[in-house]
Amino acid sequence: QQQVKQSPQSLIVQKGGISIINCAYENTAFDYFPWYQQFPGKGPALLIAIRPDVSEKKEGRFTISFNKSAKQFSLHIMDSQPGDSATYFCAAIANQFYFGTGTSLTVIP
Amino acid sequence: NAGVMQNPRHLVRRRGQEARLRCSPMKGHSHVYWYRQLPEEGLKFMVYLQKENIIDESGMPKERFSAEFPKEGPSILRIQQVVRGDSAAYFCASSPDSLGYTFGSGTRLTVV
Repeated sequence: QQQVKQSPQSLIVQKGGISIINCAYENTAFDYFPWYQQFPGKGPALLIAIRPDVSEKKEGRFTISFNKSAKQFSLHIMDSQPGDSATYFCAAIANQFYFGTGTSLTVIP
Repeated sequence: NAGVMQNPRHLVRRRGQEARLRCSPMKGHSHVYWYRQLPEEGLKFMVYLQKENIIDESGMPKERFSAEFPKEGPSILRIQQVVRGDSAAYFCASSPDSLGYTFGSGTRLTVV
């Protein structure tokens, strides 16, 4: 059973556009929600993370929006750049990390 | 700080051979996690270890797979009698607590 559902599976965005990736969960015990970025041939790297007592967190062009009542959270990449092309994983933690299935983002110049 | 070191980066094994994947966690990190990633798929949890203890192995296949994290030295993921379906990228992550994962660059296992 997939504890964290992630969509879309793939995403193509024009340079300068906004990339939005969504995740949903059921387990209310989750208390930490990180996003990871993975380039081909590399391991995932922590991008940004949020706790459920906060509705939004922004770091540069990356923003997490968190809706506790809906049990959903999303990653927004503003002014998307070709260098943002990578696979993005959301995750939720309750004693263990549960990862979404990943979103392959391609930013077209 | 050298980060999480995994070796080898690439490993080719014939069917029936053994594969040994090594992971040296970041300095000061006592929690080690192993994940498997198949092409076009997400990260699948395999096992969570602390020094000399397996904390959670609920993601490990019941046969042929084993993991250890000895008092001294790296964590080892061992796959005996490999089959083609074992071909994947295996990632190790470490953390000083149950949060703050740092991943290694992975070992890409190819079974021929």
